[in-house]
Amino acid sequence: AQSVAQPEDQVNVAEGNPLTVKCTYSVSGNPYLFWYVQYPNRGLQFLLKYITGDNLVKGSYGFEAEFNKSQTSFHLKKPSALVSDSALYFCAVRQQTGANNLFFGTGTRLTVIP
Amino acid sequence: DGGITQSPKYLFRKEGQNVTLSCEQNLNHDAMYWYRQDPGQGLRLIYYSQIVNDFQKGDIAEGYSVSREKKESFPLTVTSAQKNPTAFYLCASSISPGAHNEQFFGPGTRLTVL
Repeated sequence: AQSVAQPEDQVNVAEGNPLTVKCTYSVSGNPYLFWYVQYPNRGLQFLLKYITGDNLVKGSYGFEAEFNKSQTSFHLKKPSALVSDSALYFCAVRQQTGANNLFFGTGTRLTVIP
Repeated sequence: DGGITQSPKYLFRKEGQNVTLSCEQNLNHDAMYWYRQDPGQGLRLIYYSQIVNDFQKGDIAEGYSVSREKKESFPLTVTSAQKNPTAFYLCASSISPGAHNEQFFGPGTRLTVL
């Protein structure tokens, strides 16, 4: 069975500081991993994905994520947070083969403090 | 929110009524999806369609129905059999059903049962 865990419901960070939003996953076989961001009362926007290859993935708005197979993690990072980064972030996983619906974590609310 | 539109933005339903949520995309995507979002939970898949005239149940299909008569349209009907329909509904599409493809989301419809 597939699952995604985002252990922190809320992350607060000061503007200009680095930010990390954590995600761990469980799938049978190899995963495809995704990060999405949601602003209030809006749909989700795609940030980045890991398919294969380089474990460090760069995405939109300066975000990046590192795939760690041994720790089954895919943490989202940004070197310098902006107030405009404040939003709800979702990690999602999909099996590469077999039943492969996209499974979402419960979300982490990021607040960047000016 | 790309080329996906959802209407209406807000919808109020009386108990016992069926309502239909609209989803249209102009991205020429083959696959379309419906998700339900509840506070503190991740998105849950209701139905998906990989191609015109075909659709499959997701994890929480009971009380919902869909059709896919045109490539660009994937309406969702919330029937009176859905016991707890109040939620935020998100439609998404991807260029093809491939598991590695990111999904693009519409702005959502907030359904409230009175």
